[in-house]
Amino acid sequence: QLQLQESGPGLVRPSETLSLTCIVSGGSISSAVYYWAWIRQPPGQGLEWIGSISYSGFTYHNPSLKSRLTISVDTSKNQFSLKLSSVTAADTAVYYCARPMEFGEFPFDFWGQGALVSVSS
Amino acid sequence: EIVMTQSPATLSVSPGERATLSCRASQSVSNNLAWYQQKPGQAPRLLIYGASTRATGIPARFSGSGSGTEFTLTITSLQSEDFAVYYCQQYNNWPPLYTFGQGTKLEIK
Repeated sequence: QLQLQESGPGLVRPSETLSLTCIVSGGSISSAVYYWAWIRQPPGQGLEWIGSISYSGFTYHNPSLKSRLTISVDTSKNQFSLKLSSVTAADTAVYYCARPMEFGEFPFDFWGQGALVSVSS
Repeated sequence: EIVMTQSPATLSVSPGERATLSCRASQSVSNNLAWYQQKPGQAPRLLIYGASTRATGIPARFSGSGSGTEFTLTITSLQSEDFAVYYCQQYNNWPPLYTFGQGTKLEIK
């Protein structure tokens, strides 16, 4: 059974860079063409798609975050990562990694448990 | 960006009864619409995709309908474990620009 697990610091200072990694187990990140995704949820609020990456490193970003966002993949470690620069309190959220059902226009059927990241001095 | 609007924000229903949740898209998303259930402290769980197809393991009391801009999630014979927050999501764009509704909280009446 595929499992995704987010890892990274739970506290980031304002103006610094938020870094998270999603470790994929129970399947190879490069076994098929999926666009692995990052999604976030501020406390008490709804869900926001951040961006997606293929195992070959091709990325799509939410335009609202694109200037601050880097998504990368490491197939040797079966993981992908998120970096969000110049964070503010508005970036405080639970960050999820997720995988869509198939390549193309499909929703997400596998999710990590989520990682709460707080932005505070 | 396609804006998804869910109504109502909160729905109070008694166990055993039916709940009807609505989702509207600011422009047509064809049938590229999914519904998720989220319980406190948990990740969202995919319930419905393609507007009306139940995901693996989802009970038959969950059903979805609609196309274009108007969608409905219906839950019949509400069970205690069904009280949660429900989100709709459109995935009609490629390259992707996925957007979610703001959620409907289904609470026990």
